[in-house]
Amino acid sequence: EPEVTQTPSHQVTQMGQEVILRCVPISNHLYFYWYRQILGQKVEFLVSFYNNEISEKSEIFDDQFSVERPDGSNFTLKIRSTKLEDSAMYFCASRDRGIFYEQYFGPGTRLTVT
Amino acid sequence: TQLLEQSPQFLSIQEGENLTVYCNSSSVFSSLQWYRQEPGEGPVLLVTVVTGGEVKKLKRLTFQFGDARKDSSLHITAAQPGDTGLYLCAGRLLWMKTSYDKVIFGPGTSLSVIP
Repeated sequence: EPEVTQTPSHQVTQMGQEVILRCVPISNHLYFYWYRQILGQKVEFLVSFYNNEISEKSEIFDDQFSVERPDGSNFTLKIRSTKLEDSAMYFCASRDRGIFYEQYFGPGTRLTVT
Repeated sequence: TQLLEQSPQFLSIQEGENLTVYCNSSSVFSSLQWYRQEPGEGPVLLVTVVTGGEVKKLKRLTFQFGDARKDSSLHITAAQPGDTGLYLCAGRLLWMKTSYDKVIFGPGTSLSVIP
C-alpha cells in the first residue's frame, strides 16, 4: 500500500541553524501539507501546497519557513533559523483530488532544537 | 476557543468494555475525518463521514455523524489493548469554503485499554 515517507526520523540542531525536513508524498497525490505537533499538544496546520505553490498557510508559517517541491517526488520544509520553540514533531501529509480532504500522513520527523 | 472540541480528553478502560468518544463544533462540517495516532507516529486515517446522520462501521468501530453535521461520535465495542492511542477528529468547517485547503484538528481523546 502506498505511503508517505519522511526523513530524517529525528533531527537535532542548535538554535539558529537551518534545517530541511524531507517528505515523499504518495505518488499520484496532488496536494501536500506540513503540520506540527508540539509534545502533548494538538496537531497544527502549517501550510498547504498545490500546483507548485502555497495554497494556504497559518500564522505559524512565518518568514522563517519555506516549502519546496524540488522534483517530482520530494516535498521539503525548510526552517531558516531554528528557535527552541520550533522543537516538535513535523508531519507531512498528502491527498488526491477527492473532495473529502482525506489526508494521509507520514510517520513524522522529531525536531529537537537545543 | 477550540473550533473542534473532543471529549473526554482521557479515557482508561478495561479490555472488553465499550466506549464512546465525541467530537463537537458549533459550526457545520463539510466533511469530517477520524484518525488514530500512536505515540511518536503520524495520524492514521480511519474514516471519513460526509452526510448528516451517516453511520459507518469499521470492524468494532462505529462512527456516527450528527444530523446537523456539527458533531460526530466514535463507539468502540469490546475494546482491546491494540485500540490504545490518541483519537483525533479533523475536518473542514463549512464556513471555511473561502479557506482553500485548511483542515482543523481537534485536541484528541487519549484512550488506554488495560489488559
